[in-house]
Amino acid sequence: GDSVTQMEGPVTLSEEAFLTINCTYTATGYPSLFWYVQYPGEGLQLLLKATKADDKGSNKGFEATYRKETTSFHLEKGSVQVSDSAVYFCALSAGNNRKLIWGLGTSLAVNP
Amino acid sequence: GAGVSQSPRYKVAKRGQDVALRCDPISGHVSLFWYQQALGQGPEFLTYFQNEAQLDKSGLPSDRFFAERPEGSVSTLKIQRTQQEDSAVYLCASSLIRGSSGNTIYFGEGSWLTVV
Repeated sequence: GDSVTQMEGPVTLSEEAFLTINCTYTATGYPSLFWYVQYPGEGLQLLLKATKADDKGSNKGFEATYRKETTSFHLEKGSVQVSDSAVYFCALSAGNNRKLIWGLGTSLAVNP
Repeated sequence: GAGVSQSPRYKVAKRGQDVALRCDPISGHVSLFWYQQALGQGPEFLTYFQNEAQLDKSGLPSDRFFAERPEGSVSTLKIQRTQQEDSAVYLCASSLIRGSSGNTIYFGEGSWLTVV
């Protein structure tokens, strides 16, 4: 069945460091891919998405490119801030787009 | 309110009790989803409504779980005879149009259920 694998955390970085969180997927068909973020004490928020191969999603300095050949959707940011500390989830749409399949989440802590 | 609202935020239930979790989606949103998130895990799909129709309930773990959305807006997730393994955060989400592909899905803050 469809699945998402993302790198385990926690990830700890210093402010202004480069961030990569790896995400790979297994799916039949051509799913849409998503990154969600959960800040402490808040609900899940959509960070960015890509709906077809080679699409690049971007938001708040974060980017991810839908790579069909490597079945990947790695999240990157060139310079992280303390305010980026959160849990990041990679997900794909499945089941005729009626459900999202999620990775386990990666906790990011950014120190000043 | 402007977002998805869930209540109660926190619920402690004794094993064997029935619980009901409420979700108020964003007004006018057609699609409504329920997910279960265990500690340290990603969310797991439970069920999906399009208006009042429950189109997918394949993720409900047992017949003790029941969800409804009778008027196509507010939804209730009911868990009968709660077990310890039901302890999790229950997330409700809604979106304006059908399905999840490419659409922005808005999540509530979740209802934290602890079964003791």
